[in-house]
Amino acid sequence: GQNIDQPTEMTATEGAIVQINCTYQTSGFNGLFWYQQHAGEAPTFLSYNVLDGLEEKGRFSSFLSRSKGYSYLLLKELQMKDSASYLCAALDSNYQLIWGAGTKLIIKP
Amino acid sequence: GAVVSQHPSWVICKSGTSVKIECRSLDFQATTMFWYRQFPKQSLMLMATSNEGSKATYEQGVEKDKFLINHASLTLSTLTVTSAHPEDSSFYICSAPGPGDNQPQHFGDGTRLSIL
Repeated sequence: GQNIDQPTEMTATEGAIVQINCTYQTSGFNGLFWYQQHAGEAPTFLSYNVLDGLEEKGRFSSFLSRSKGYSYLLLKELQMKDSASYLCAALDSNYQLIWGAGTKLIIKP
Repeated sequence: GAVVSQHPSWVICKSGTSVKIECRSLDFQATTMFWYRQFPKQSLMLMATSNEGSKATYEQGVEKDKFLINHASLTLSTLTVTSAHPEDSSFYICSAPGPGDNQPQHFGDGTRLSIL
């Protein structure tokens, strides 16, 4: 079956760095997305990886290893506004998105 | 950039009412749109894939007669929750893939449906 695993909840300190991991098992693979979702709001797009390696975009970076079925989202210089859920989603061979349950990130002062 | 507009953003109505939610792609054409449902503190659950000019594809366990989907044009899909009951209260979100290959999903702002 198809499956996405990511931690349920993480806590980090303002100004620090946090890494949110995601492992996936899908029927075929056409890329991996990370989305941020604040409570009561729709998700917003953060990153897309289809090739192995690290993609950096400001304070956020996303890494992919296709051979390991693994990705992570790295958030640097954490701010209080980064408190949100982070959703990992893989695109399978039919271009259907398979969603993880999301990681709730709590930022403490 | 690509924008998806969803309307209404909030609905409160009595049990037995039918509610229509609209999802529009504002500056691009979307032959496919997706409808999700999200309960508090849970991830997105795909309900159905809306296909322009043809029938929607429903996920297992989603009642077709309960959740009517119409994708009448390349920029509009509608979800109608028929004879809504309190258990249908949820956050409904639509999305459309951006133009081009392997583009991210662009989400509407969501519709919070509360059935009394």
